[in-house]
Amino acid sequence: GEDVEQSLFLSVREGDSSVINCTYTDSSSTYLYWYKQEPGAGLQLLTYIFSNMDMKQDQRLTVLLNKKDKHLSLRIADTQTGDSAIYFCALITGAGGTSYGKLTFGQGTILTVHP
Amino acid sequence: DAGVTQSPTHLIKTRGQQVTLRCSPKSGHDTVSWYQQALGQGPQFIFQYYEEEERQRGNFPDRFSGHQFPNYSSELNVNALLLGDSALYLCASSLTAEQYFGPGTRLTVT
Repeated sequence: GEDVEQSLFLSVREGDSSVINCTYTDSSSTYLYWYKQEPGAGLQLLTYIFSNMDMKQDQRLTVLLNKKDKHLSLRIADTQTGDSAIYFCALITGAGGTSYGKLTFGQGTILTVHP
Repeated sequence: DAGVTQSPTHLIKTRGQQVTLRCSPKSGHDTVSWYQQALGQGPQFIFQYYEEEERQRGNFPDRFSGHQFPNYSSELNVNALLLGDSALYLCASSLTAEQYFGPGTRLTVT
């Protein structure tokens, strides 16, 4: 089955950039997502990228996709203490790759932002 | 737009009991998916409903069942609860590629 790997922890200083990395095994993944989860809360969709794109920028967020290496990254510019949370990489796998097909998640990266 | 809503927020059940969790999708969304998130883990896909039918299922036993209603809302039922069923249960709704999650139901089995 699909395997999605993330490093468990990342610590940065306020104002610096954060880069969260994700690797995956299924090259047929069509949509790749980043979600944010704060303590005791559900998942907030941050951004997503279609597999025919290499990069997507959305305000402070930049997503990079390297299909050859099966590597996805999320860069957060000017990281703030409010960005402290767990960040999940997720992929659409299975038939269709659009509104159907399950999301497969990594185990999450805990981002800690120090003042 | 109220977004995805789930009820109840928290639930405590005893081993062997049955539980029903509820989800109302975001306005205009026709697809509902359910996920189980154990403590410290990423969410695991349980199943997905579209047009009142189960369209895809993850690696969960038959004790986990669901339903989707004509208004697209959905229920997740778990029978014969085990201690290992304690988790955050998340509902996600979608119309296209964007899947939006509700706040979840925290189920504790004692």
